[in-house]
Amino acid sequence: AQSVAQPEDQVNVAEGNPLTVKCTYSVSGNPYLFWYVQYPNRGLQFLLKYITGDNLVKGSYGFEAEFNKSQTSFHLKKPSALVSDSALYFCAVRAVGNTPLVFGKGTRLSVIA
Amino acid sequence: DAGVIQSPRHEVTEMGQEVTLRCKPISGHDYLFWYRQTMMRGLELLIYFNNNVPIDDSGMPEDRFSAKMPNASFSTLKIQPSEPRDSAVYFCASSSLLGVNTDTQYFGPGTRLTVL
Repeated sequence: AQSVAQPEDQVNVAEGNPLTVKCTYSVSGNPYLFWYVQYPNRGLQFLLKYITGDNLVKGSYGFEAEFNKSQTSFHLKKPSALVSDSALYFCAVRAVGNTPLVFGKGTRLSVIA
Repeated sequence: DAGVIQSPRHEVTEMGQEVTLRCKPISGHDYLFWYRQTMMRGLELLIYFNNNVPIDDSGMPEDRFSAKMPNASFSTLKIQPSEPRDSAVYFCASSSLLGVNTDTQYFGPGTRLTVL
């Protein structure tokens, strides 16, 4: 069975500084990895995904994520944080095939001006 | 595209009442998922459909919960009778194995259910 761990409940970063939100996963076979963002009282918005190919994946709003197979990690990054990036971020994984996503517990990102 | 549409956005009901949540997936998507989000348990899958057929309902908490997908553009999640512990945000998501963003699940805005 697949699982996702987001080790940090909360990440605080100053505006303009780089940010990293951590995610590790466990899955049988090749992973399909996703990042979603949730703003208050809103649904989850898709940010980016890794299926195959380059280990560095670029997504929406300047976010990117690096797939590391040996460390089974898929950390979300952004070079320069904005206050508007403050939200709840979810990492998710699934195995091959259009099976349901398994989500991490979420990490709340707070960008301070 | 209007995205995934859910209704109602908010529902307040009393314990014992029947609650019906509705979802319209993105046109052309053949997978539909129902998730529940709570502070304690995070996001958890309840059930999912492929081509209107339920594939896995092992996440449905108990017999009080039922879900249907009578056609490709509509699904319901029903709770009868409702209990206070059912209070949560319920999300519907859809996806397709075809097209540009294959494999990506797109979420609706959710229904916030409060059972008093």
